[in-house]
Amino acid sequence: GNSVTQMEGPVTLSEEAFLTINCTYTATGYPSLFWYVQYPGEGLQLLLKATKADDKGSNKGFEATYRKETTSFHLEKGSVQVSDSAVYFCALNDGGTSYGKLTFGQGTILTVHP
Amino acid sequence: GAGVSQSPSNKVTEKGKDVELRCDPISGHTALYWYRQSLGQGLEFLIYFQGNSAPDKSGLPSDRFSAERTGGSVSTLTIQRTQQEDSAVYLCASSPGVAGTYEQYFGPGTRLTVT
Repeated sequence: GNSVTQMEGPVTLSEEAFLTINCTYTATGYPSLFWYVQYPGEGLQLLLKATKADDKGSNKGFEATYRKETTSFHLEKGSVQVSDSAVYFCALNDGGTSYGKLTFGQGTILTVHP
Repeated sequence: GAGVSQSPSNKVTEKGKDVELRCDPISGHTALYWYRQSLGQGLEFLIYFQGNSAPDKSGLPSDRFSAERTGGSVSTLTIQRTQQEDSAVYLCASSPGVAGTYEQYFGPGTRLTVT
């Protein structure tokens, strides 16, 4: 079956540091890949997405590139802010149907200190 | 426009009681999903609706769990004879159901505590 593996957290960084959160996946077919973010006390928000190999998703300074050869979708940001402190989830939709369920990674807690 | 809404936001119930959780999807979204978020299990898929039909119920953990959707809009997740292991945040999401649009939009969740 499908699965998503994220790097273990928590991750603690100082403001303006570089961020990488690793994500690898196992799926049949050609999945779409997503990063969702959950800020404290809030629901899940879509951060970015990529629907085919070599696509780069980007939003709010975050980027992730769909790498089919390494089955990866690592999240990066060049300079984090305190406001980026949240839980980040990597997810895939296996694309077997247009409306399939999401399979999530276990989440990575990011804390950014001033 | 309005996002996905869920009610109640918090529910505390005694073991053995039944609970109903409600989800109002984004207007016009034909696909609706329920997930459960718990410390031990992470984010788990429960059930998916397309219109009023549920083509995928594979994530419902036991026959105590059921869900329905009416009018292609509001959905209710019912848990009968609640157990302590049912304590979790129950999340609802909706999607336009249009080919090529795969992202799902989530509500704030209902935090269920079974005492």
